[in-house]
Amino acid sequence: EAGVAQSPRYKIIEKRQSVAFWCNPISGHATLYWYQQILGQGPKLLIQFQNNGVVDDSQLPKDRFSAERLKGVDSTLKIQPAKLEDSAVYLCASSLGQFNQPQHFGDGTRLSIL
Amino acid sequence: GNSVTQMEGPVTLSEEAFLTINCTYTATGYPSLFWYVQYPGEGLQLLLKATKADDKGSNKGFEATYRKETTSFHLEKGSVQVSDSAVYFCASQTQTGGTSYGKLTFGQGTILTVHP
Repeated sequence: EAGVAQSPRYKIIEKRQSVAFWCNPISGHATLYWYQQILGQGPKLLIQFQNNGVVDDSQLPKDRFSAERLKGVDSTLKIQPAKLEDSAVYLCASSLGQFNQPQHFGDGTRLSIL
Repeated sequence: GNSVTQMEGPVTLSEEAFLTINCTYTATGYPSLFWYVQYPGEGLQLLLKATKADDKGSNKGFEATYRKETTSFHLEKGSVQVSDSAVYFCASQTQTGGTSYGKLTFGQGTILTVHP
């Protein structure tokens, strides 16, 4: 089966600019996650969707980050305006949803803020 | 809250050496436990999992046993290869509050380098 697809793979922007990332989950996976992975750390959950509804966005910096999942399939994560500390890899994952089911990750988007 | 603690890295071994990467967790309830591996420039790949106490997850020669009494899930491999060089993440998955959906908490990762 096809894995989780993300684009772009790399993005370089200047601070205060905006940026968007796209994710297509594994077919049939109702749950979709966005993570932020700062260099040298484990991934940190930003937002979790079940179909097109938000289940958990408690760690999403809502003043600058937004995410949507229209039609319960693809998702986009946006940062506006970007700050230097947003430099990280942004990972998308999907799963069947139940808590004993593993999450499957895409290759991520590496974001560099100048 | 939930947390996962892994042994400090990096870990450097010679080929065919024995590997142990320690992992302990704190969580409410009974989490599912996972080990993920991340190769350079790639996303995380599931290595193995265990969903209840005393379960042993295994894959590609790696093993880990869910120890509820010590809240641990240590990763082991009897004979490592150069191709095992990667970053290894231990993770616990609990239920997102009030739902049956999973939420992962990751350790900080352990860098493994295997030399020929």
